[in-house]
Amino acid sequence: EIVLTQSPGTLSLSPGEGATLSCRASQSVNNRFLAWYQQKPGQAPRLLIHGASSRATGIPDTFSGSGSGTDFTLTISRLEPEDFAVYYCQQYGSSPYTFGQGTKLEIK
Amino acid sequence: EVQLVQSGAEVKKPGEYLKISCKGSGYSFTTYWIGWVRQMPGKGLEWMGMIYPGDSDARYSPSFQGQVTMSVDKSINTAYLQWSSLKASDTAMYFCARHVDTSWYAALNHWGQGTQVTVSS
Repeated sequence: EIVLTQSPGTLSLSPGEGATLSCRASQSVNNRFLAWYQQKPGQAPRLLIHGASSRATGIPDTFSGSGSGTDFTLTISRLEPEDFAVYYCQQYGSSPYTFGQGTKLEIK
Repeated sequence: EVQLVQSGAEVKKPGEYLKISCKGSGYSFTTYWIGWVRQMPGKGLEWMGMIYPGDSDARYSPSFQGQVTMSVDKSINTAYLQWSSLKASDTAMYFCARHVDTSWYAALNHWGQGTQVTVSS
């Protein structure tokens, strides 16, 4: 089973700033099959990025993903108030398709 | 519009049976894998497994193998998650979600609203 470790656990930033979230895998993720999700309190998760760098339908270009192998990054270029949430990475290259433990992005 | 609508919240006692549902609409139900995800109170997301409605092929995470059963009724475009004997530790929100494309290897881009399951004596 691939273990995903996200860092930092909590990130405190202000609207307008940029954010960089990390996801490290215990072994290489096949074919860059790595996704990022956003979850707000009381809501279902929302897919942001799949295939490590492809934005899902309707996701603004302020969100971008990069990486390969064992190291992946989600970058938010300019934070809007609605971007403060919890972010999860997930690998779906080998079963079981595991999630990271999440990064909470909070308003500073 | 693709939609997944889950059944309502459940309150059960330990040892009881439960089956929750996830009804898909707005797409070809039999050609996309559906995954199930658990979220325990205040915790992160856990992938439980996935099922292919076309032939009911189901793949389970080792953590959930033998603890739950996934099934489908493709005549009514509905996927199910069931427990034969609930435990207090099954208390959680359960989400179903559809794969972004028809591949086995795919992210989850259409989510149900979640079903809250509470198990308490």
